[in-house]
Amino acid sequence: DGGITQSPKYLFRKEGQNVTLSCEQNLNHDAMYWYRQDPGQGLRLIYYSQIVNDFQKGDIAEGYSVSREKKESFPLTVTSAQKNPTAFYLCASSYSGTRSSYNEQFFGPGTRLTVL
Amino acid sequence: QQQVKQSPQSLIVQKGGISIINCAYENTAFDYFPWYQQFPGKGPALLIAIRPDVSEKKEGRFTISFNKSAKQFSLHIMDSQPGDSATYFCAAVPALTGGGNKLTFGTGTQLKVEL
Repeated sequence: DGGITQSPKYLFRKEGQNVTLSCEQNLNHDAMYWYRQDPGQGLRLIYYSQIVNDFQKGDIAEGYSVSREKKESFPLTVTSAQKNPTAFYLCASSYSGTRSSYNEQFFGPGTRLTVL
Repeated sequence: QQQVKQSPQSLIVQKGGISIINCAYENTAFDYFPWYQQFPGKGPALLIAIRPDVSEKKEGRFTISFNKSAKQFSLHIMDSQPGDSATYFCAAVPALTGGGNKLTFGTGTQLKVEL
């Protein structure tokens, strides 16, 4: 089956710990994205990557880091510098955008992170 | 600063009724407007989308109405069904200038369709 997988589904972390969320896609998409979802705030872009070994900050990158060593994988690390990390994290992927078209973003099932 | 404003925050509709969700934007660089549907515990999925060169797009029971001069667009769900109960997000994408498919989302509307 083609798609996007995120693991784990639920994650608990103690304050002061870094934690890494996994995102893998087998859709052969060039671009990958990380969003954070909080109640009443919609989805906010954390980081995105249009090509391997390159990524850009989104609107709320502070306290997060990413890597893009493989086309299929885009892990997100939530560092201890993130002040309020409890949220639902969504990974997405798409073909890279061109000037003439928008490419649909496909979302994974999400990881719910809770900081204890 | 919320670039895409969405209302209402929640909506209860009777089965068979019409659900209407509204969005407004300020950035005139936006030129693609998708709607996403999200069920609890799942990721959002694209429902329907529109470009500003048309005023309406219909797919089955779902219709987007677009008012470019007012910078507003809305989702209409005709003959609403209990299976439509979900959270709906409007979004906007700027004209592609090398920034990728950057989606700006509204805050979401929780729709409940009652029997």
